[in-house]
Amino acid sequence: GQQLNQSPQSMFIQEGEDVSMNCTSSSIFNTWLWYKQEPGEGPVLLIALYKAGELTSNGRLTAQFGITRKDSFLNISASIPSDVGIYFCAGHPGTYKYIFGTGTRLKVLA
Amino acid sequence: NAGVTQTPKFRILKIGQSMTLQCAQDMNHNYMYWYRQDPGMGLKLIYYSVGAGITDKGEVPNGYNVSRSTTEDFPLRLELAAPSQTSVYFCASSRAGTGGVQPQHFGDGTRLSIL
Repeated sequence: GQQLNQSPQSMFIQEGEDVSMNCTSSSIFNTWLWYKQEPGEGPVLLIALYKAGELTSNGRLTAQFGITRKDSFLNISASIPSDVGIYFCAGHPGTYKYIFGTGTRLKVLA
Repeated sequence: NAGVTQTPKFRILKIGQSMTLQCAQDMNHNYMYWYRQDPGMGLKLIYYSVGAGITDKGEVPNGYNVSRSTTEDFPLRLELAAPSQTSVYFCASSRAGTGGVQPQHFGDGTRLSIL
C-alpha cells in the first residue's frame, strides 16, 4: 500500500534545540495533517493544512504545506522533554482515506 | 463528549479464537476507519466505512470483518486469530469536508496479543 516517506525516522536532540522533520510523496495531496502519538495512546491531531504554501502554527509547532503539494514540513522550536513521542504526517488525496507516513520518533535529552 | 471510544484496551487470545473489537464515536461522524500498528511501524488501513451499511477494504483486510449498522458503532471482528494479527488496533472517525474528508480523530487503541 501507498505510504509517505517521512524523515528522519528517529532523532535524539538536546532540550532547547529546534527540530525539523518532513514528509514527501510522489502524489499530490489536498490536505496535510500532523499528528503526535505518545506511548499507549492514539495519535492526536497537532496541525491541519489545507492550501499549498500554507504556514500554520500551534504554540511552538509550525507546519507548512509545500507549494508542489507533494510535501510538508513540521518544525518544533525550543524542544522540551514532553515533546517526546512519534510524529506522523498524513496526506489526503481527495478520496475517503488518509495516507500515513511511517513516523519520526523524537527523543529529547534533558 | 467522549470522542472515539475503543474497548477492550488489552486482550490476549489463543490461536484460532475469535473476538470483536468495539469502536464507538459520539461526534456524528460519517466516516470510520480501522488501522493496525505493528511495533515501530506506521498505520495500515484494514477497513473503512463512509456511512451506516457501507464498508470497504483497506490495504490489509485479510483475516478481518467489519459491519456498520449504526452511525456510532464500527466493530472489527477477528474470526480465526493468528499470531500475525498481534498488533495495536486503532479506530478513527471523521466527517465530510470541502473537497474530501476532515481530519481523523483516533481512539486510544486496543492492544491485542495472540499466543
